[in-house]
Amino acid sequence: RKEVEQDPGPFNVPEGATVAFNCTYSNSASQSFFWYRQDCRKEPKLLMSVYSSGNEDGRFTAQLNRASQYISLLIRDSKLSDSATYLCVVRNYGGATNKLIFGTGTLLAVQP
Amino acid sequence: NAGVMQNPRHLVRRRGQEARLRCSPMKGHSHVYWYRQLPEEGLKFMVYLQKENIIDESGMPKERFSAEFPKEGPSILRIQQVVRGDSAAYFCASSPQWGFDAEQYFGPGTRLTVT
Repeated sequence: RKEVEQDPGPFNVPEGATVAFNCTYSNSASQSFFWYRQDCRKEPKLLMSVYSSGNEDGRFTAQLNRASQYISLLIRDSKLSDSATYLCVVRNYGGATNKLIFGTGTLLAVQP
Repeated sequence: NAGVMQNPRHLVRRRGQEARLRCSPMKGHSHVYWYRQLPEEGLKFMVYLQKENIIDESGMPKERFSAEFPKEGPSILRIQQVVRGDSAAYFCASSPQWGFDAEQYFGPGTRLTVT
């Protein structure tokens, strides 16, 4: 079983739509959670961190459910520029390592 | 303030040759991470280094791969005797400190193609 699992998509939505991505993680000791965005053939960029009860940044809302080991990302009023792959990422704190564990990503295509 | 720099951006090697990938962290960052992204897959951690030390190499293949981060100069990921399965995007990230809230900043990646 993969440590971080995501629906690969693609999600094809019209401009202005609301879209939600889900992610589950298998290690109950995971302590930090993030959503990254990766445009085609480019480096991943941090979209937002998700701590405790979640957070909101403009049109983006991230939620964390530790009991279910579940993370979500909601994008409201989708723009063409939101088209990208969204990566769910966890980090397990402890020991000497500080590595990020990535899901395979969910592809979003916003249509005009 | 320049971001993380990687070179070359594209590298083509024949099977059996060596590949050297370079990563210059952001100014003031002393922690470097290497990740590999195979086609149609997510990024996978390879190795975590601080200046002159390998801290965690649990994601490195046991053979042909090595990494270093010398006191002076960039971090180097070295792949000896490359095979077609090594074709991937290799991303380097750096952070200013260690800790669960230390953001990792990614470089643009090196795309290795083995022919």
